[in-house]
Amino acid sequence: AQTVTQSQPEMSVQEAETVTLSCTYDTSESNYYLFWYKQPPSRQMILVIRQEAYKQQNATENRFSVNFQKAAKSFSLKISDSQLGDTAMYFCAFMKGFGNEKLTFGTGTRLTIIP
Amino acid sequence: GAVVSQHPSWVICKSGTSVKIECRSLDFQATTMFWYRQFPKQSLMLMATSNEGSKATYEQGVEKDKFLINHASLTLSTLTVTSAHPEDSSFYICSNGAGGLDEQFFGPGTRLTVL
Repeated sequence: AQTVTQSQPEMSVQEAETVTLSCTYDTSESNYYLFWYKQPPSRQMILVIRQEAYKQQNATENRFSVNFQKAAKSFSLKISDSQLGDTAMYFCAFMKGFGNEKLTFGTGTRLTIIP
Repeated sequence: GAVVSQHPSWVICKSGTSVKIECRSLDFQATTMFWYRQFPKQSLMLMATSNEGSKATYEQGVEKDKFLINHASLTLSTLTVTSAHPEDSSFYICSNGAGGLDEQFFGPGTRLTVL
């Protein structure tokens, strides 16, 4: 079974600064995906970024990037130039295989962007 | 991406009654859908995997006779909470397994309150 650990229950950062959210996972699978999801107060789950385990290159999406350390089973999210709209719960998630599989979520990090 | 809707968005019921929650994949035929439960200030926990035309697969600890899942078509899965009790009050979220794709699309969730 897979486990996902987020060790930072809450974080806060000033607007326009950079913040990094941590995530570690444990698995014996060789093929898998890792995700960061954002859950704003509306509670709609929004995909922030995904990483395929077989890709060495770290994924980036505009202001969001990841540091994927496969050997260390670490998957951190960096948010640059943080904005007030980034305030939300952030969940790290694991999916084995190549798709159409269930997600295993971490416990989440509540991120607050301070004006 | 694929659009997933849920109905109702919120429901209040009396203890002992049954409640049905619908999850529709609006623009994608989903052979698989996932049902998650999220208690306040907690993460999403998978309850069951809904498979079109066959029985759902339940996670350990989830009572299949209490949480009835029906996936009769490629666009609709339903979750019925039978004989609901206050401890069943939670936020229920569905997602579709986008068949072979590496991303799941989430519904907006249903808030269930059992009095």
